[in-house]
Formats: sequence, C-alpha cells, structure tokens
Amino acid sequence: DAGVIQSPRHEVTEMGQEVTLRCKPISGHDYLFWYRQTMMRGLELLIYFNNNVPIDDSGMPEDRFSAKMPNASFSTLKIQPSEPRDSAVYFCASTPRDRVSDTQYFGPGTRLTVL
Amino acid sequence: AQTVTQSQPEMSVQEAETVTLSCTYDTSESDYYLFWYKQPPSRQMILVIRQEAYKQQNATENRFSVNFQKAAKSFSLKISDSQLGDAAMYFCAYSGGGSQGNLIFGKGTKLSVKP
Repeated sequence: DAGVIQSPRHEVTEMGQEVTLRCKPISGHDYLFWYRQTMMRGLELLIYFNNNVPIDDSGMPEDRFSAKMPNASFSTLKIQPSEPRDSAVYFCASTPRDRVSDTQYFGPGTRLTVL
Repeated sequence: AQTVTQSQPEMSVQEAETVTLSCTYDTSESDYYLFWYKQPPSRQMILVIRQEAYKQQNATENRFSVNFQKAAKSFSLKISDSQLGDAAMYFCAYSGGGSQGNLIFGKGTKLSVKP
C-alpha cells in the first residue's frame, strides 16, 4: 500500500489567495483526519470524517476553512482567503474501520507558507 | 478535557545507550489508547508504539518499550541501544475509546543522539 498521500508537499501563496490541500487515505480506512502543526500550538485536530461524513469540525479555526470528502478515496481542505497566520504544516491521517481509536497513519504533510 | 504533557522539551543520549522520554496525561475515561510517534526532519509522523489502556502488559517493539502506569497516568518511552537514526521529535498522543476519534498530542520532546 502506498500509504496516505498528500499534495502538494509545499505550497507558497500570497495573502488573500485560495489554497486547496488534497489527501488520499489508505484504501479501506473509513476515518480521515486533518491536523495542523505549528510551533505555537503544536499538533491540533481540525476536522475528521467517518465514511465521508464530517463528524467533528470543532477544530476548524474559522469560516475561511472548509473540508470535503466527496468519496472514500479523496478529501480536500480549502482555505479562502488565506492569511499569513495560516502558515503551518497540514497533515492528513487515516485509520481502519474497526475502531475509531485505532492507530492513525499519517501522510507526509503539506507545508503551507502564506506571504 | 483530556490533556497530554511532555515535560522534557529536549533530551540527549549517547549512541548505544538507553534513554527514557516522559509523558503524563489526564483523562476521566477508562478505555483509551496511547501512542508514541516519531517525527524526523522529513516531517513524516511515524508510529513508534501503541498501548491499549485495558492491557496491563507494557507494549514493546524491538528497541522501543513503554512503562505504562495507568493509576499514575504515566506513559514513558524507553529507547534501548540508541542509534543515530533515532534522533527526532517524539510525540506522546492520547486517543479516547468509543466514538471519540482524534489524537491529542503533547508538545513533543526533541531527542538528539551523540555519536
């Protein structure tokens, strides 16, 4: 298995632009998570899905952030408009169907820089 | 709310020696999971070891083992025969049982390995 795939690996954009991060979970994993990592706040959950349905989006910082999972093999995290404080590493992770609290497997992350 | 605390921002170990990284957590749940993840400079989050709270036996994975003290809410990681490739950030993480899906991370411990 190729593991969790994220794209792009690096993204540099200017303030006010729209940014879309992409994730392909491991096949057969029914749970997908988006995390954000910053020096100040560490690793924090933004949102997670079960069977393509958002379950908990309480970590989404504000309305500028949105996430979708149109099918079992693809999810997007969109920031519109982007701001410099959104600069961070964004991780996608997935876990198998059996238990929600089973091991989460992480993608390589997307390093976002907003100028 | 659950919290995870790593009190050692940085640690150093001599190659081939043993080092222990500390982690404490706070929860009112009885069913949960604990994890140690490694994050090398590549940023990839790599699972090191996993412990289920209902299991009294401490988990081991080759050179990595944990000391799980449920009553004390302590979950330390021991790395034996340290290797240069063990140098990384190490994150302790908690995941609740039941329907809660997300990982709650500590701030991390940066481990350096001296040749």
